[in-house]
Amino acid sequence: NAGVTQTPKFQVLKTGQSMTLQCAQDMNHEYMSWYRQDPGMGLRLIHYSVGAGITDQGEVPNGYNVSRSTTEDFPLRLLSAAPSQTSVYFCASSTLAGNYNEQFFGPGTRLTVL
Amino acid sequence: AQTVTQSQPEMSVQEAETVTLSCTYDTSESDYYLFWYKQPPSRQMILVIRQEAYKQQNATENRFSVNFQKAAKSFSLKISDSQLGDAAMYFCAYRSIQGAQKLVFGQGTRLTINP
Repeated sequence: NAGVTQTPKFQVLKTGQSMTLQCAQDMNHEYMSWYRQDPGMGLRLIHYSVGAGITDQGEVPNGYNVSRSTTEDFPLRLLSAAPSQTSVYFCASSTLAGNYNEQFFGPGTRLTVL
Repeated sequence: AQTVTQSQPEMSVQEAETVTLSCTYDTSESDYYLFWYKQPPSRQMILVIRQEAYKQQNATENRFSVNFQKAAKSFSLKISDSQLGDAAMYFCAYRSIQGAQKLVFGQGTRLTINP
């Protein structure tokens, strides 16, 4: 059982380049989300999805796009990377069934934008 | 909107001793969940303990326990018999019981264990 996987683990971009951070889960979870982690600021929610075809913005959505065409995958797209997007990115997933549902986190992607 | 505050950027403790990490939060909701996550140098986010706001009893998981003060909106984590493997960043997080499962995190506390 792989859980939540993220690729790549590390990435260096130049300002203005585009890229997609991949996230996949094999637990059939309805809920998936993306967070960014910056020093002194904890993790902040970028976008989330409660099922295929349904996405919504979190706290810091600007500069990022998402789509959810399947239950398993939730890619995060940077259309024109900026130095302010240098961060560690985490994907997380959970089921929506029941009252309490633990969120499972991927291992993270460290992104540097020069 | 809910906010979570961890006022201790860094803490240190001697091995085998007890340390308490502080967390306060702000919400107008009466039902919610609170969590402590551990992030070791591997970066992996690990759930340490959770507390449901409607439960008065403080949660305990082995050497980890919380002091949940709902009226004061305080949620501290106590680590007993500290071990070298406890060294990590610790994040306090809030989740509403309503709607989507969005987590609101505090800024984090870096815990160092001195041998």
